[in-house]
Amino acid sequence: TAGITQAPTSQILAAGRSMTLRCTQDMRHNAMYWYRQDLGLGLRLIHYSNTAGTTGKGEVPDGYSVSRANTDDFPLTLASAVPSQTSVYFCASSASFTFNEQFFGPGTRLTVL
Amino acid sequence: QQQVKQSPQSLIVQKGGISIINCAYENTAFDYFPWYQQFPGKGPALLIAIRPDVSEKKEGRFTISFNKSAKQFSLHIMDSQPGDSATYFCAASRGITAGNKLTFGGGTRVLVKP
Repeated sequence: TAGITQAPTSQILAAGRSMTLRCTQDMRHNAMYWYRQDLGLGLRLIHYSNTAGTTGKGEVPDGYSVSRANTDDFPLTLASAVPSQTSVYFCASSASFTFNEQFFGPGTRLTVL
Repeated sequence: QQQVKQSPQSLIVQKGGISIINCAYENTAFDYFPWYQQFPGKGPALLIAIRPDVSEKKEGRFTISFNKSAKQFSLHIMDSQPGDSATYFCAASRGITAGNKLTFGGGTRVLVKP
């Protein structure tokens, strides 16, 4: 079982360009999340989805958008990248939106120049 | 403003020693406190979690101590092993009222020397 896959593994992006980070889970989990990890700041929630068709804003949503067309996929889009979006991005999922363990993907390292 | 503060930022311990990581939170509505372990190049993985209705939870060599009145919780790694070398994150969430949206501490890099 793959669990959560993320693509690409890493990317260098010019400022102002758009990009979509992909996340797919095969566990049929209802809830999915996007975090960014920055040194000393831990992981911060960008957006989440309780179930397919619904999304919500996390702690640091500005500059990012998400969609949840089906249970398995939860792409994160940067419409116009800025250098402050340089980070490692993790997708996660949990069986439900309450208390359950969150399973994390391997991450995408994004550098915006 | 970081709602979950974690210390120390890094820790070096000899094999067989005890690693202690502390976290303090501000939001009294938090009611679920997990610890995640992350190895280089990997995503975090749940290590152990506690609810505020208990003061301690132990799983193998890992123990969470929880002090509700002080709004603090800590992770103790007993008999630390080189394989425990990783970054550890505490986290908190408001559970049912606000869903499983985790607020993480800044992380502690633990190095266990053989």
